Amino acid sequence: DTGVSQDPRHKITKRGQNVTFRCDPISEHNRLYWYRQTLGQGPEFLTYFQNEAQLEKSRLLSDRFSAERPKGSFSTLEIQRTEQGDSAMYLCASSFVTGLGEQFFGPGTRLTVL
Amino acid sequence: QKEVEQNSGPLSVPEGAIASLNCTYSDRGSQSFFWYRQYSGKSPELIMFIYSNGDKEDGRFTAQLNKASQYVSLLIRDSQPSDSATYLCAPPGGNNFNKFYFGSGTKLNVKP
Repeated sequence: DTGVSQDPRHKITKRGQNVTFRCDPISEHNRLYWYRQTLGQGPEFLTYFQNEAQLEKSRLLSDRFSAERPKGSFSTLEIQRTEQGDSAMYLCASSFVTGLGEQFFGPGTRLTVL
Repeated sequence: QKEVEQNSGPLSVPEGAIASLNCTYSDRGSQSFFWYRQYSGKSPELIMFIYSNGDKEDGRFTAQLNKASQYVSLLIRDSQPSDSATYLCAPPGGNNFNKFYFGSGTKLNVKP
Protein backbone atom coordinates (compact mmCIF):
# COMPACT_ATOMS: atom_id res chain seq x y z
CA ASP A 1 0.00 0.00 0.00
CA THR A 2 1.61 3.26 -1.12
CA GLY A 3 -0.92 5.67 0.37
CA VAL A 4 -0.79 7.70 3.56
CA SER A 5 -1.06 5.55 6.67
CA GLN A 6 -1.96 6.51 10.22
CA ASP A 7 -1.67 4.67 13.47
CA PRO A 8 -3.63 3.97 15.56
CA ARG A 9 -6.95 4.13 13.77
CA HIS A 10 -8.85 4.51 17.02
CA LYS A 11 -7.79 5.71 20.44
CA ILE A 12 -9.86 5.92 23.59
CA THR A 13 -8.26 7.65 26.52
CA LYS A 14 -9.19 9.22 29.81
CA ARG A 15 -9.10 12.94 30.35
CA GLY A 16 -5.67 14.09 31.43
CA GLN A 17 -3.74 11.35 29.68
CA ASN A 18 -1.23 11.96 26.90
CA VAL A 19 -1.68 10.43 23.46
CA THR A 20 0.56 10.19 20.41
CA PHE A 21 -0.45 9.55 16.82
CA ARG A 22 1.77 8.58 13.91
CA CYS A 23 1.50 9.40 10.23
CA ASP A 24 3.50 7.88 7.38
CA PRO A 25 3.12 9.96 4.20
CA ILE A 26 3.38 8.85 0.61
CA SER A 27 7.09 8.18 0.29
CA GLU A 28 7.92 10.76 -2.40
CA HIS A 29 5.94 13.55 -0.73
CA ASN A 30 7.92 16.16 1.16
CA ARG A 31 4.99 18.05 2.67
CA LEU A 32 2.94 16.64 5.51
CA TYR A 33 -0.15 18.16 7.07
CA TRP A 34 -2.21 17.56 10.17
CA TYR A 35 -5.91 18.41 10.35
CA ARG A 36 -8.61 17.92 12.93
CA GLN A 37 -12.20 17.19 12.03
CA THR A 38 -15.25 17.16 14.27
CA LEU A 39 -18.69 15.88 13.37
CA GLY A 40 -20.43 17.96 10.73
CA GLN A 41 -17.42 20.16 10.04
CA GLY A 42 -14.73 20.15 7.41
CA PRO A 43 -11.14 19.41 8.36
CA GLU A 44 -9.39 22.25 10.23
CA PHE A 45 -5.74 22.89 9.53
CA LEU A 46 -3.42 22.31 12.49
CA THR A 47 0.13 22.35 11.16
CA TYR A 48 2.33 21.38 8.25
CA PHE A 49 5.91 20.32 7.58
CA GLN A 50 8.12 20.66 4.58
CA ASN A 51 10.67 17.91 5.01
CA GLU A 52 11.59 18.12 8.70
CA ALA A 53 10.79 21.81 9.13
CA GLN A 54 7.49 22.78 10.75
CA LEU A 55 6.55 25.81 8.67
CA GLU A 56 3.18 26.81 10.02
CA LYS A 57 1.00 26.15 13.04
CA SER A 58 -2.62 27.12 13.51
CA ARG A 59 -3.65 29.05 16.57
CA LEU A 60 -5.90 26.05 17.17
CA LEU A 61 -2.75 24.18 18.14
CA SER A 62 -2.54 24.97 21.83
CA ASP A 63 0.54 24.39 23.96
CA ARG A 64 -0.77 20.92 24.73
CA PHE A 65 -0.28 19.90 21.10
CA SER A 66 3.09 19.22 19.56
CA ALA A 67 4.06 17.74 16.23
CA GLU A 68 7.37 16.49 14.93
CA ARG A 69 8.81 15.13 11.75
CA PRO A 70 12.38 14.42 12.81
CA LYS A 71 13.78 12.85 9.67
CA GLY A 72 11.45 14.33 7.13
CA SER A 73 9.57 11.06 6.75
CA PHE A 74 6.94 10.02 9.30
CA SER A 75 5.39 12.50 11.71
CA THR A 76 3.96 12.29 15.20
CA LEU A 77 1.27 14.41 16.81
CA GLU A 78 1.18 14.41 20.59
CA ILE A 79 -1.61 15.76 22.75
CA GLN A 80 -0.77 16.24 26.41
CA ARG A 81 -3.32 16.36 29.22
CA THR A 82 -6.18 15.48 26.92
CA GLU A 83 -9.54 17.18 27.35
CA GLN A 84 -12.96 16.03 26.22
CA GLY A 85 -12.93 18.79 23.61
CA ASP A 86 -9.99 17.08 21.94
CA SER A 87 -12.28 14.26 20.82
CA ALA A 88 -12.17 14.36 17.03
CA MET A 89 -10.80 12.68 13.95
CA TYR A 90 -7.15 13.60 13.39
CA LEU A 91 -6.24 13.50 9.73
CA CYS A 92 -2.84 13.46 8.12
CA ALA A 93 -2.24 14.40 4.49
CA SER A 94 0.80 14.67 2.27
CA SER A 95 1.72 16.39 -0.97
CA PHE A 96 4.57 17.37 -3.24
CA VAL A 97 6.13 20.82 -2.88
CA THR A 98 5.84 21.34 -6.62
CA GLY A 99 2.75 20.99 -8.71
CA LEU A 100 -0.68 22.14 -7.67
CA GLY A 101 -0.22 20.92 -4.13
CA GLU A 102 -3.06 18.43 -4.10
CA GLN A 103 -3.15 16.71 -0.76
CA PHE A 104 -3.82 13.03 -0.18
CA PHE A 105 -5.30 11.99 3.12
CA GLY A 106 -4.70 9.04 5.36
CA PRO A 107 -7.54 7.13 7.01
CA GLY A 108 -7.39 9.22 10.16
CA THR A 109 -7.13 8.51 13.87
CA ARG A 110 -10.36 8.82 15.79
CA LEU A 111 -9.73 10.04 19.32
CA THR A 112 -12.30 9.70 22.08
CA VAL A 113 -11.53 11.34 25.41
CA LEU A 114 -13.69 10.07 28.26
CA GLN B 1 -16.36 35.95 7.14
CA LYS B 2 -15.46 32.31 6.71
CA GLU B 3 -12.82 31.52 4.14
CA VAL B 4 -15.08 29.00 2.45
CA GLU B 5 -18.85 28.80 2.39
CA GLN B 6 -20.85 25.79 1.31
CA ASN B 7 -24.51 24.91 1.67
CA SER B 8 -24.51 22.13 4.25
CA GLY B 9 -27.52 20.42 2.66
CA PRO B 10 -28.57 17.73 2.61
CA LEU B 11 -29.04 17.98 -1.13
CA SER B 12 -31.31 15.22 -2.32
CA VAL B 13 -31.46 14.23 -5.98
CA PRO B 14 -32.96 11.21 -7.70
CA GLU B 15 -30.71 8.64 -9.32
CA GLY B 16 -29.70 9.73 -12.82
CA ALA B 17 -30.18 13.45 -12.15
CA ILE B 18 -27.54 16.18 -12.11
CA ALA B 19 -26.31 17.23 -8.68
CA SER B 20 -24.96 20.77 -8.38
CA LEU B 21 -22.70 21.64 -5.47
CA ASN B 22 -21.53 25.20 -4.85
CA CYS B 23 -18.74 26.90 -2.97
CA THR B 24 -17.74 30.52 -2.44
CA TYR B 25 -14.39 31.61 -1.09
CA SER B 26 -12.99 34.81 0.32
CA ASP B 27 -9.27 34.78 -0.61
CA ARG B 28 -8.91 36.37 -4.04
CA GLY B 29 -5.36 35.04 -4.22
CA SER B 30 -6.46 31.41 -4.34
CA GLN B 31 -5.42 29.99 -7.68
CA SER B 32 -6.37 26.33 -7.59
CA PHE B 33 -9.37 24.61 -6.09
CA PHE B 34 -9.89 21.09 -4.98
CA TRP B 35 -13.01 19.03 -4.49
CA TYR B 36 -12.95 16.16 -2.04
CA ARG B 37 -15.55 13.50 -1.41
CA GLN B 38 -15.94 12.13 2.09
CA TYR B 39 -18.02 9.10 2.90
CA SER B 40 -19.38 8.86 6.42
CA GLY B 41 -16.66 7.77 8.82
CA LYS B 42 -13.95 7.90 6.16
CA SER B 43 -11.26 10.41 5.25
CA PRO B 44 -11.53 12.90 2.35
CA GLU B 45 -10.75 11.59 -1.11
CA LEU B 46 -9.58 13.92 -3.87
CA ILE B 47 -11.90 13.82 -6.87
CA MET B 48 -11.11 16.93 -8.90
CA PHE B 49 -9.12 20.11 -9.07
CA ILE B 50 -9.42 23.22 -11.23
CA TYR B 51 -7.18 26.24 -11.60
CA SER B 52 -8.43 28.04 -14.69
CA ASN B 53 -11.64 29.97 -15.15
CA GLY B 54 -14.26 27.97 -16.95
CA ASP B 55 -15.15 24.31 -16.89
CA LYS B 56 -13.13 21.17 -16.39
CA GLU B 57 -14.67 17.79 -17.08
CA ASP B 58 -13.61 14.41 -15.74
CA GLY B 59 -16.01 11.59 -16.44
CA ARG B 60 -19.33 12.37 -14.76
CA PHE B 61 -17.82 15.28 -12.85
CA THR B 62 -17.51 18.87 -14.06
CA ALA B 63 -15.85 21.58 -12.01
CA GLN B 64 -16.63 25.21 -12.80
CA LEU B 65 -14.56 28.17 -11.63
CA ASN B 66 -15.34 31.87 -11.72
CA LYS B 67 -12.51 33.77 -10.06
CA ALA B 68 -14.14 37.17 -10.52
CA SER B 69 -17.14 35.99 -8.51
CA GLN B 70 -15.01 33.85 -6.18
CA TYR B 71 -17.24 30.92 -6.91
CA VAL B 72 -16.52 27.30 -7.71
CA SER B 73 -18.99 24.51 -8.33
CA LEU B 74 -19.09 20.79 -8.94
CA LEU B 75 -21.64 19.12 -11.17
CA ILE B 76 -22.23 15.39 -10.98
CA ARG B 77 -24.07 14.01 -13.98
CA ASP B 78 -26.05 10.76 -13.92
CA SER B 79 -25.90 10.72 -10.12
CA GLN B 80 -25.61 7.29 -8.55
CA PRO B 81 -26.46 6.16 -5.01
CA SER B 82 -22.71 5.57 -4.56
CA ASP B 83 -22.22 9.33 -4.99
CA SER B 84 -24.02 9.87 -1.67
CA ALA B 85 -21.37 11.52 0.49
CA THR B 86 -20.25 14.89 1.78
CA TYR B 87 -18.43 17.02 -0.78
CA LEU B 88 -15.77 19.39 0.49
CA CYS B 89 -14.47 22.42 -1.35
CA ALA B 90 -10.84 23.32 -0.57
CA PRO B 91 -9.16 26.44 -1.89
CA PRO B 92 -5.56 26.76 -0.71
CA GLY B 93 -4.82 29.68 1.55
CA GLY B 94 -2.40 30.97 4.11
CA ASN B 95 0.81 32.85 3.56
CA ASN B 96 2.00 30.70 0.69
CA PHE B 97 -1.24 28.99 -0.18
CA ASN B 98 0.14 25.84 1.35
CA LYS B 99 -2.78 24.90 3.53
CA PHE B 100 -6.35 24.11 2.67
CA TYR B 101 -9.32 25.90 4.09
CA PHE B 102 -12.14 23.42 3.98
CA GLY B 103 -15.79 24.33 3.97
CA SER B 104 -18.11 22.34 6.17
CA GLY B 105 -19.16 20.41 3.09
CA THR B 106 -22.41 19.68 1.33
CA LYS B 107 -24.08 16.37 2.10
CA LEU B 108 -25.47 14.77 -1.04
CA ASN B 109 -28.11 12.06 -0.98
CA VAL B 110 -28.84 10.26 -4.24
CA LYS B 111 -32.09 8.38 -3.99
CA PRO B 112 -32.53 5.17 -6.03
